[in-house]
Amino acid sequence: NAGVMQNPRHLVRRRGQEARLRCSPMKGHSHVYWYRQLPEEGLKFMVYLQKENIIDESGMPKERFSAEFPKEGPSILRIQQVVRGDSAAYFCASSPRRDQETQYFGPGTRLLVL
Amino acid sequence: GDSVTQMEGPVTLSEEAFLTINCTYTATGYPSLFWYVQYPGEGLQLLLKATKADDKGSNKGFEATYRKETTSFHLEKGSVQVSDSAVYFCALRSSSGYALNFGKGTSLLVTP
Repeated sequence: NAGVMQNPRHLVRRRGQEARLRCSPMKGHSHVYWYRQLPEEGLKFMVYLQKENIIDESGMPKERFSAEFPKEGPSILRIQQVVRGDSAAYFCASSPRRDQETQYFGPGTRLLVL
Repeated sequence: GDSVTQMEGPVTLSEEAFLTINCTYTATGYPSLFWYVQYPGEGLQLLLKATKADDKGSNKGFEATYRKETTSFHLEKGSVQVSDSAVYFCALRSSSGYALNFGKGTSLLVTP
């Protein structure tokens, strides 16, 4: 039973480029959460999605960041026109339902913006 | 708002030493509390959890007790191993929410 999958594991972008991060939740999980871990910091909640719906994006920066979780395929976190401050580890977690206590995390995507 | 504060690292211990990593929280209501562990280059793994006051979570020799009177959830292990070297995160989930609120993490290095 595969866990949460994220790809790529490492991503290097130059300032102004776009970054696309993918997350495939565990089988049977329809709830996805994205978190960002800045250097020397804990994880910060960004967005919570269910299939085809954004439930809460209160932790997302207002500009350049967007997320989706289509009916088919992985969840995508998209960062347009990246800046150096976007360099961080981005983790995806999934759960089978909203009130499920445990969120299962993927290995993360480490984004480096040059 | 809700927040978690955990002790600064890094913590360096010899194998078989006793481990305590302090964690305190601020939250309204009755949050659920978690300890996650992150091994180098990997994602977070749930280590243990507690959902109500006086609950004790335990796993792999690690324990933590939900203390509402002191708003704490300290992580302990009686005898650490080299393989326990990792970063440990304390987290809470509010009773009305779903997002996890993490502390900054405590790096643990266990030497032979």
